[in-house]
Amino acid sequence: GQNIDQPTEMTATEGAIVQINCTYQTSGFNGLFWYQQHAGEAPTFLSYNVLDGLEEKGRFSSFLSRSKGYSYLLLKELQMKDSASYLCAVRDLQSNYQLIWGAGTKLIIKP
Amino acid sequence: ETGVTQSPTHLIKTRGQQVTLRCSSQSGHNTVSWYQQALGQGPQFIFQYYREEENGRGNFPPRFSGLQFPNYSSELNVNALELDDSALYLCASSTPTTTDTQYFGPGTRLTVL
Repeated sequence: GQNIDQPTEMTATEGAIVQINCTYQTSGFNGLFWYQQHAGEAPTFLSYNVLDGLEEKGRFSSFLSRSKGYSYLLLKELQMKDSASYLCAVRDLQSNYQLIWGAGTKLIIKP
Repeated sequence: ETGVTQSPTHLIKTRGQQVTLRCSSQSGHNTVSWYQQALGQGPQFIFQYYREEENGRGNFPPRFSGLQFPNYSSELNVNALELDDSALYLCASSTPTTTDTQYFGPGTRLTVL
């Protein structure tokens, strides 16, 4: 079956670093996406991984290990505006390339 | 901003009614996907349209239907509304490239009373 797991909620301090993990089980993996979603707003695209390794984009980095079915999103130099939900989504060949979404991780940044 | 627009922003309906939600895709994008997102949950895939044809459907009943027009804008229609249909409805546009990144509109908040 298809399954994506993320922690429900995490708390971190402004200026610190936080790592949000995502594990997945799919029949036909074809890429993993991370999105940020502020409360009441639409998800916005952060990163895309299809090959193993680390993709860095400013303060945000995303890592993928296909053999382990594992990804993480790393946020550095945390700012208060980073308080949001972070959604992991996997594109699945067996589902006609549709995205399978995790429930999201609510990140709370404290001063 | 992604260039994807949705209307209306908010909507209140009663059980049994019908609703139509609209989405205009980002310029150059010929694929539109619709999602339902309940509070505290990730988006659930409803269906996708590519060049005016349905191109995949999630686990939603037939009372959820859609259309895509020649300009790639799209509609989501829901008949016989139920209380559990209350959610944020998101549309996302994309183009079939290697990454096929989806860009979301602001969503329509539907409340069914």
